[in-house]
Amino acid sequence: SAVISQKPSRDICQRGTSLTIQCQVDSQVTMMFWYRQQPGQSLTLIATANQGSEATYESGFVIDKFPISRPNLTFSTLTVSNMSPEDSSIYLCSVRDSPQETQYFGPGTRLLVL
Amino acid sequence: QKEVEQNSGPLSVPEGAIASLNCTYSDRGSQSFFWYRQYSGKSPELIMSIYSNGDKEDGRFTAQLNKASQYVSLLIRDSQPSDSATYLCARGGGATNKLIFGTGTLLAVQP
Repeated sequence: SAVISQKPSRDICQRGTSLTIQCQVDSQVTMMFWYRQQPGQSLTLIATANQGSEATYESGFVIDKFPISRPNLTFSTLTVSNMSPEDSSIYLCSVRDSPQETQYFGPGTRLLVL
Repeated sequence: QKEVEQNSGPLSVPEGAIASLNCTYSDRGSQSFFWYRQYSGKSPELIMSIYSNGDKEDGRFTAQLNKASQYVSLLIRDSQPSDSATYLCARGGGATNKLIFGTGTLLAVQP
């Protein structure tokens, strides 16, 4: 399986600011995804990061709030913009090991917005 | 109806017993099913994947799939306290071809 790293691992931010989370994979992967896991909740897919094109967002998530980049097959960033306390969550990068469709998760970024 | 449903638990079993975790899904076009384990404060880790009807065994873990009943389960034999975690069921394929997760079942193995 691919080795996935995320930076930062955790952060405490003030409301109104933005944070960019980086996801690095040790090998090229077909698909990369960003999930959110709010306290005590399951995983919610934010978007699929598409290499060389705009991300595909799920219902309830918009590009202005969660801009995503994917410049190559091993790296992606998620920005949480104009943060509010409701954005406090764990943000997880995930990759798909095509073609078996097995999907693996990075260690997560724990965000607290004050 | 949620796409993937799990009993949130907690499911409490004594050490050495069999833990049975269940999951139902609504999209009959779903092609693949996964069980992830998530320890508190950690990210999900894949335990099992299953694609065909029947049973799939890996060590103490057995995944069971019944597509006709839209039901997938995970059995953990000889449960250990270290198995205490939240178990997430996910389905892939189907109309959206994305992994959709259930809410997870919290398993507590009592020493």
